[in-house]
Amino acid sequence: DTEVTQTPKHLVMGMTNKKSLKCEQHMGHRAMYWYKQKAKKPPELMFVYSYEKLSINESVPSRFSPECPNSSLLNLHLHALQPEDSALYLCASSQDPTSLSYNEQFFGPGTRLTVL
Amino acid sequence: AQSVTQLDSHVSVSEGTPVLLRCNYSSSYSPSLFWYVQHPNKGLQLLLKYTSAATLVKGINGFEAEFKKSETSFHLTKPSAHMSDAAEYFCVVRTYSGNTPLVFGKGTRLSVIA
Repeated sequence: DTEVTQTPKHLVMGMTNKKSLKCEQHMGHRAMYWYKQKAKKPPELMFVYSYEKLSINESVPSRFSPECPNSSLLNLHLHALQPEDSALYLCASSQDPTSLSYNEQFFGPGTRLTVL
Repeated sequence: AQSVTQLDSHVSVSEGTPVLLRCNYSSSYSPSLFWYVQHPNKGLQLLLKYTSAATLVKGINGFEAEFKKSETSFHLTKPSAHMSDAAEYFCVVRTYSGNTPLVFGKGTRLSVIA
């Protein structure tokens, strides 16, 4: 299995809702990532988990709360979002976060989030 | 610090003609470089990667890229464009310092005209 899966594909939520995005990989990768991508822009890194511990938080607002329950799963909990948070949310994984080798990231298909 | 510059925001080619997407990089170290493709409303797919083993790198779907250290370039090419190649292409460099593992270029949108 060489893919990263994300659910749901699409999500529409109000500003007072609480929802979660889910990401899963079964490649034995030990680093997992959340990115936010606005239209016609490259992905922007939000969070990095390395060996199931949060290693990077790119100054993301607290209304986004990541969680890594185990080495295969990554969640992003959403609460009190703003309309400007509407975007494509991408999950990625890579083999060894401590390696200095090429260590490419494998991306999921994304969740298209719309905040009303 | 590492960075990449994609020299064209939009490239348009006719089907069956060659594709050239340009990327220049800046790196203090021997870089690891990647090209990713993103079709509309999809995730990113790795096309190819440079890892210092060979300067000419072959990827999927007939794409290849040549690492030229003297020119600090890593241009993506394909001999003959297909309609299905229409997508956004990102040149990416792996960093070894700072917080961000990958640095993305701004992207080049490739249009293929029938």
